[in-house]
Amino acid sequence: EAGVAQSPRYKIIEKRQSVAFWCNPISGHATLYWYQQILGQGPKLLIQFQNNGVVDDSQLPKDRFSAERLKGVDSTLKIQPAKLEDSAVYLCASSFDSGNTEAFFGQGTRLTVV
Amino acid sequence: AQSVTQLGSHVSVSEGALVLLRCNYSSSVPPYLFWYVQYPNQGLQLLLKYTSAATLVKGINGFEAEFKKSETSFHLTKPSAHMSDAAEYFCAVSPGGSYIPTFGRGTSLIVHP
Repeated sequence: EAGVAQSPRYKIIEKRQSVAFWCNPISGHATLYWYQQILGQGPKLLIQFQNNGVVDDSQLPKDRFSAERLKGVDSTLKIQPAKLEDSAVYLCASSFDSGNTEAFFGQGTRLTVV
Repeated sequence: AQSVTQLGSHVSVSEGALVLLRCNYSSSVPPYLFWYVQYPNQGLQLLLKYTSAATLVKGINGFEAEFKKSETSFHLTKPSAHMSDAAEYFCAVSPGGSYIPTFGRGTSLIVHP
């Protein structure tokens, strides 16, 4: 079974630029999560999708972050404009059911904002 | 609300020694508790979970953890450390019934030859 795929693995951008990350969840998984992991901290949930609908985006900085999952499968997370403090690893995870089954994590995208 | 506190950002052990990574939780409802491992440049992998059944939980790679409600603890142990156990370990908590955890800050396990 293929795991959660994320791309790119690494990205370096200048502050005020925009960036997008892509995630393809495990086939058949209805729930998709984006986490932000700042160096030295645990992952923090940014947004949770159930199919193509948003379940929880309470911790997403909506002035600069956006995410979509238009067809209920893969998802993109965008930052525009980026700030230095956005430097982090962005992890995507998916689960079969909404929060009731184990979430499987991708390898993440490491973003460096300079 | 739920939170976890991991005691010690770094733990160093010798190969073959006991591994003990400490985690204390706070939860307003009966919790689910998790330990995840993250190897360098990898995603998170679930080691084990407590979901209100047996209080002693066995996971992969020889790890186990015991849920102690009276101490609000969920410490991770392994009798004998291997070099391959060197990684970042995260304790996490969620409201019972949910698998959407809130993570601790992590503990880096260093294993010396």
